[in-house]
Amino acid sequence: GAVVSQHPSWVICKSGTSVKIECRSLDFQATTMFWYRQFPKQSLMLMATSNEGSKATYEQGVEKDKFLINHASLTLSTLTVTSAHPEDSSFYICSASDRLAGTYEQYFGPGTRLTVT
Amino acid sequence: AQSVAQPEDQVNVAEGNPLTVKCTYSVSGNPYLFWYVQYPNRGLQFLLKYITGDNLVKGSYGFEAEFNKSQTSFHLKKPSALVSDSALYFCAVRDAGTGGFKTIFGAGTRLFVKA
Repeated sequence: GAVVSQHPSWVICKSGTSVKIECRSLDFQATTMFWYRQFPKQSLMLMATSNEGSKATYEQGVEKDKFLINHASLTLSTLTVTSAHPEDSSFYICSASDRLAGTYEQYFGPGTRLTVT
Repeated sequence: AQSVAQPEDQVNVAEGNPLTVKCTYSVSGNPYLFWYVQYPNRGLQFLLKYITGDNLVKGSYGFEAEFNKSQTSFHLKKPSALVSDSALYFCAVRDAGTGGFKTIFGAGTRLFVKA
């Protein structure tokens, strides 16, 4: 089956530093990738959608300059949290779809827990 | 705009009993509907989907869901619950009419299955 990996699985950083999270599709072409944020005991909040080779489309209220998304290849997307602050601490989950395959499923990564101190 | 409602924060069921986790949705076009399960500190696992065809959809781990267009519902069911089914369940919807890939998730329902 389709597998999506995320790295790192958890990260602790100091306030003001930047953190990069990688999302990879291991056995399929991820023409579209999604980044979600999940707060404790809450649902997933879609942050942005990116198509390979294009700029990401951000949801309302999500700061583009703070959450930099790059989808440079069909198997890799990165989310960089710039100048992180404690309120950015959260569980970040990516998912991927192969739009060209005509399927409708999103395959989710295992998530990355970010803690900003 | 599309939306999903999961009216129950938590569902408690005894092992061996049938379980139902409720979901209602709102879209402007035809819905694509999904159920996912999440275990602690893990990503989401796909359970089942409705795209078109039979209203009763069968998925992983013995789960099934029934699409009801008139009631705009897509409730998740299982005839006999297991303790290992205890997890957080998310209903999700995508509006096929928009041609987009944007999926909206419900707030989630925590299922507790007691032995």
